[in-house]
Amino acid sequence: EVQLVESGGGLVQPGGSLRLSCVAPGSPFNTYKLHWVRQPPGKGLEWVAYISPASDHILYADSVEGRFTISRDNAKNSLYLQMDSLSAEDTAVYYCAREGTSDICYFDYWGQGALVTVSS
Amino acid sequence: SPLTQPASVSGSPGQSITISCTGTSSDVGGYDYVSWYQQHPGKVPKLMIFGVTNRPSGVSSRFSGSKSGNTASLTISGLQAEDEADYYCCSYGSSTTPHYVFGTGTKVIVL
Repeated sequence: EVQLVESGGGLVQPGGSLRLSCVAPGSPFNTYKLHWVRQPPGKGLEWVAYISPASDHILYADSVEGRFTISRDNAKNSLYLQMDSLSAEDTAVYYCAREGTSDICYFDYWGQGALVTVSS
Repeated sequence: SPLTQPASVSGSPGQSITISCTGTSSDVGGYDYVSWYQQHPGKVPKLMIFGVTNRPSGVSSRFSGSKSGNTASLTISGLQAEDEADYYCCSYGSSTTPHYVFGTGTKVIVL
């Protein structure tokens, strides 16, 4: 069973920064394809970013390109999302999710989510 | 842009319903990489269908997927009260840059 645990959410002012973390304890973390997916309160899912197991392939949604940075530290079994120049539109629950090897868009394990609120 | 889904679909217990997911030739129509997720209120999404038609282990055979052109579909047969939830499709796309895209979401209401 893969466990993903997010942390780092909270209240931040517009224009501010925040870094989310996602830890997967006790797992072959360095083989995982990992994503961040967000969900604004009461709204739908939005894919945010992807990082390959060796960090050699990174993708971003147009809505966050240039403002968010996805990274990972395989030695610490950790995934990160550095979020800069935040605006109210970035308010959402942020999930880290593993993409299984069986297929593309195959998100088989999700964390419980970290709420990010951007407000003055 | 997100894939287009109907805002809501309803049906009575025992009936079958179908949820559509419309994209473009750069995503849904161009790849057999469409998956479907079920999300109950306050819960994390659960994978129901992957690769257009495949069910993960443990998912009921009442759930099935298909695709025609730029539109994918999820069919729930023998509708049950526990099926009431939000459903999202997901596809890989490559219009300008490679990306993943979710649908707008569909609320399934069991009457």
